Amino acid sequence: DQQVKQNSPSLSVQEGRISILNCDYTNSMFDYFLWYKKYPAEGPTFLISISSIKDKNEDGRFTVFLNKSAKHLSLHIVPSQPGDSAVYFCAASAIGNQFYFGTGTSLTVIP
Amino acid sequence: DVKVTQSSRYLVKRTGEKVFLECVQDMDHENMFWYRQDPGLGLRLIYFSYDVKMKEKGDIPEGYSVSREKKERFSLILESASTNQTSMYLCASSLSDQGKNTEAFFGQGTRLTVV
Repeated sequence: DQQVKQNSPSLSVQEGRISILNCDYTNSMFDYFLWYKKYPAEGPTFLISISSIKDKNEDGRFTVFLNKSAKHLSLHIVPSQPGDSAVYFCAASAIGNQFYFGTGTSLTVIP
Repeated sequence: DVKVTQSSRYLVKRTGEKVFLECVQDMDHENMFWYRQDPGLGLRLIYFSYDVKMKEKGDIPEGYSVSREKKERFSLILESASTNQTSMYLCASSLSDQGKNTEAFFGQGTRLTVV
């Protein structure tokens, strides 16, 4: 059973606007959450993470929000740029344990 | 700079062949992982290792085995390749830090086609 879910397979956004990617999880033991970006034929690259003791973490144009009660996290990209077009995976882990990944959301930023 | 290197970018093998996928990391990480990525299924964990000679099954270990004889190297073995093992294979490593979470770093991936 999928413990980390990304229900939107794709998202299109105009350049300069905000992109919001969503992720839900089921395991309340998860205490660390990550977002990865992946281009075709390349490995995923780490983007941003958040610990369960926080509800927001920001790094430049990227902000991750965590709502523990809803078991939901989201990635905001603002402003969106054409180079942001990629597949985004969310992932979750508990300390010392494996990483569980969602199925990915393909983001297209339209110039 | 952090580096996880997979031995091949593209590989074509015949059904029934024994296939070795090699992964090397230069970060002195304790944890290493093998995932496969398939359309609509995301990244699924095949095996992981938290120390030399240690291994744990992931979600889809059937048809695969692994070897970790040295800390920096983690090998994935397909004992008898089948067409349903055609996929993108991704190796990753992470630091084991007591009480602290750390991110996983990925290699560039190996696109394996079994014909």
